[in-house]
Amino acid sequence: AQTVTQSQPEMSVQEAETVTLSCTYDTSESDYYLFWYKQPPSRQMILVIRQEAYKQQNATENRFSVNFQKAAKSFSLKISDSQLGDAAMYFCAYRISNFGNEKLTFGTGTRLTIIP
Amino acid sequence: EADIYQTPRYLVIGTGKKITLECSQTMGHDKMYWYQQDPGMELHLIHYSYGVNSTEKGDLSSESTVSRIRTEHFPLTLESARPSHTSQYLCASRPSKATGELFFGEGSRLTVL
Repeated sequence: AQTVTQSQPEMSVQEAETVTLSCTYDTSESDYYLFWYKQPPSRQMILVIRQEAYKQQNATENRFSVNFQKAAKSFSLKISDSQLGDAAMYFCAYRISNFGNEKLTFGTGTRLTIIP
Repeated sequence: EADIYQTPRYLVIGTGKKITLECSQTMGHDKMYWYQQDPGMELHLIHYSYGVNSTEKGDLSSESTVSRIRTEHFPLTLESARPSHTSQYLCASRPSKATGELFFGEGSRLTVL
């Protein structure tokens, strides 16, 4: 069974600094997708960044980037120049890429606090 | 923000009541999902749909039922609510392409007394 582990229940960072959120996963599949989702308090969960396992290059979206280590089954999220609006729960998620597989497996989340 | 809406956002009801949580999306997505999320916990898939007249059970056993009569609408029903049903329920949808991200609603927080 696939599992996703986020070992940091809570993290905090000073505004404008950089923070890295950890995620590891367990799978026997070779082709899959990895995601980071952000859930602000009382607001919709939104996609932050996506990585396809067959791509060696780490995904980047503005201030957000990932460090994807396929052999180590690690998928960390780096947030640069942290802003107050980054405060949220962050969930790492995994999905096999074969057609018909609808299961998106989530980790337990990391609550990120931004210190002004 | 994504065009997916859930009502009610908050609901407090007594045991034994029948409730329906509504979910609508205007993006024309074929695939829709219901997740259950308890505080500080990961999301668990309870139902999903490939399209009209398609419904499937997810990983987490749930006493709820769903229907998909129209593409844009995917309501979840509890025939007789119990305190163990107290949770947040998140609806999501995505396009059929393989890498399609999930678009989530704001959630319905249900409390059963």
